[in-house]
Amino acid sequence: TQLLEQSPQFLSIQEGENLTVYCNSSSVFSSLQWYRQEPGEGPVLLVTVVTGGEVKKLKRLTFQFGDARKDSSLHITAAQPGDTGLYLCAGTRSGGSNYKLTFGKGTLLTVNP
Amino acid sequence: GAVVSQHPSWVICKSGTSVKIECRSLDFQATTMFWYRQFPKQSLMLMATSNEGSKATYEQGVEKDKFLINHASLTLSTLTVTSAHPEDSSFYICSARSQSSINNEQFFGPGTRLTVL
Repeated sequence: TQLLEQSPQFLSIQEGENLTVYCNSSSVFSSLQWYRQEPGEGPVLLVTVVTGGEVKKLKRLTFQFGDARKDSSLHITAAQPGDTGLYLCAGTRSGGSNYKLTFGKGTLLTVNP
Repeated sequence: GAVVSQHPSWVICKSGTSVKIECRSLDFQATTMFWYRQFPKQSLMLMATSNEGSKATYEQGVEKDKFLINHASLTLSTLTVTSAHPEDSSFYICSARSQSSINNEQFFGPGTRLTVL
C-alpha cells in the first residue's frame, strides 16, 4: 500500500500550458515537502508546507496543503522546458518515528518547446 | 546553506568487490542521515536511517551485512556495499537532517551512480 499517492505518474505537455500534480493520503502529515530532481542529480527542496490550508507560491509554482493535512498539490503556470524533471512529494507522518520521510512515486514532467 | 555532498559521484567496480560511498553535510550538523536507492524514473526507496554514534536502522528487506552504514561524526555517514553484484547497480542518494530542523526538512546529496560489472 502506497501511503502517499502521487498523480499523475507521467505528464508530457507543451510549453505555456498549466499543470497540477497531486499527492493524497489517508494519513495525516505534520509537514510535507516538494522536491524536484533532474536526471543524475539529487532531489532539490522546493517548499515545505506545515499548516492545513496553507498556500505557498514560488514564482510560477503554487503549493497547497489540504485543510486536514492529508493531501497536497503543486500547480505550475505557463510551464517552460526548464521545468522538466521528476517532482516528488514527501511527508512526515504525524506520530511517525525517526524522522523518516514518506515519498510519493513521483511525477515525471516533460515540457516540450 | 544546507549543502550535502557525496563522493564518489560515480563508480564502476568488478563483481565481488566492496565500494564505499561518503555523505557529508558541509555547512550544518546532521544528527540523522538517510540512505536511499533509486531506479531509473522511479521514486526514492529508503534503505536505512543513520544516527550519529549509534547503529543504523534498516528498512525491511535491506541486508544490513551487505550495506554497512557508519555515522561516525555529525557531518559524515558512509555506506559500504560489500561483495557487490550487478543487481546492486543503482543510483544511491543520501540525505541529511539538521539538528535544528523544525519541519523535518531533509537535504539531499547529488547521488552516486554505482555500476557493478
